[in-house]
Amino acid sequence: NAGVTQTPKFRVLKTGQSMTLLCAQDMNHEYMYWYRQDPGMGLRLIHYSVGEGTTAKGEVPDGYNVSRLKKQNFLLGLESAAPSQTSVYFCASRDPMEHSPLHFGNGTRLTVT
Amino acid sequence: AQTVTQSQPEMSVQEAETVTLSCTYDTSESDYYLFWYKQPPSRQMILVIRQEAYKQQNATENRFSVNFQKAAKSFSLKISDSQLGDAAMYFCAYRTQGGSEKLVFGKGMKLTVNP
Repeated sequence: NAGVTQTPKFRVLKTGQSMTLLCAQDMNHEYMYWYRQDPGMGLRLIHYSVGEGTTAKGEVPDGYNVSRLKKQNFLLGLESAAPSQTSVYFCASRDPMEHSPLHFGNGTRLTVT
Repeated sequence: AQTVTQSQPEMSVQEAETVTLSCTYDTSESDYYLFWYKQPPSRQMILVIRQEAYKQQNATENRFSVNFQKAAKSFSLKISDSQLGDAAMYFCAYRTQGGSEKLVFGKGMKLTVNP
């Protein structure tokens, strides 16, 4: 059972470069999320999606875009990377039942120089 | 806006002993869900335990149990018979029931288990 898979696991970008992080889940979950984790800050929500073709802003959406063209995939894009976007990025998913927990991927460590 | 506070950034416990991790939250809602997640050095986020606010009974999962005090808005995690594998970052999290789909996390607490 793959669960939630994030690619890549590590990436180094130069300021101004762009990239896309891919999240794929095989649990048929409706809801998907992108979080970033920074030391001393916990996890902060970037964007989320409650279904195919829908996305919404979270707590820290600036500098990021997302797309959910297929139910199983949730893409996070950085159009022009900045050093402030150096972080560990987590994708998560869950089904719509009220009490259901998040299932997380293993994270992507992104460094922007 | 809902907030989750973990006031102790670090704690340590001796193997086989019991430790309690504190968490408080601020909300005006009456129905919500609370979670504890564990993040070992592997970086994976693992669900430890969850509590529905409408349930008065405290949740338990093997060696893990919670002390949920709704009036005080407190949700502490007790780990009994601590094991070396319990060493990790622990995050408390809150989610409103219905409407908002967002899980709000505390800043985390690092637990060290000493042999």
